[in-house]
Amino acid sequence: GAVVSQHPSWVICKSGTSVKIECRSLDFQATTMFWYRQFPKQSLMLMATSNEGSKATYEQGVEKDKFLINHASLTLSTLTVTSAHPEDSSFYICSARARAVLAKNIQYFGAGTRLSVL
Amino acid sequence: LAKTTQPISMDSYEGQEVNITCSHNNIATNDYITWYQQFPSQGPRFIIQGYKTKVTNEVASLFIPADRKSSTLSLPRVSLSDTAVYYCLVGDGNNAGNMLTFGGGTRLMVKP
Repeated sequence: GAVVSQHPSWVICKSGTSVKIECRSLDFQATTMFWYRQFPKQSLMLMATSNEGSKATYEQGVEKDKFLINHASLTLSTLTVTSAHPEDSSFYICSARARAVLAKNIQYFGAGTRLSVL
Repeated sequence: LAKTTQPISMDSYEGQEVNITCSHNNIATNDYITWYQQFPSQGPRFIIQGYKTKVTNEVASLFIPADRKSSTLSLPRVSLSDTAVYYCLVGDGNNAGNMLTFGGGTRLMVKP
């Protein structure tokens, strides 16, 4: 149980284009999903918190107009990197927190998306 | 926000027991301790979570002393496939807020 599917796993795009990444909780309802970015040899950095049916909360320094987050249902959140540039190349990871209180706030992570902007 | 401190890296050999300690001196009463494992180019994977004393599952054990200012993840008889980065997170079990800060993690290298 507690599987989070993230798609695509790898994407290459041209500078200036937009890329959408999907994050789905397959066997549980996720009231909250999180988006992280990770550069090589570094730890995960939280970008934003996505709550179903409401606007995402972005961390300081993360441009909300560049990283559009939509959490349309209890099982799906999307991250769109708009007008991507080479400096946006990174490993993007989503996670979901189960709705059940007994889960004690454990996060279940997707496999990540490797974005390369040419 | 309970900050965590872990060793940057550790080396071990196959078949040995590995203990990774995490310091969290300002842990709060409602905070749980959660450990994740991350392989290269993959998302982190939940290993174990605890509040106090000892927790054991099929993968690892978590030892938490009475003052809860530190915790130790114990991996019995590691294999090469246990080579990964291990993260310790501390935060309120019912509040996502401070559970989301990943520290530097511990890079475990298991050698044959």
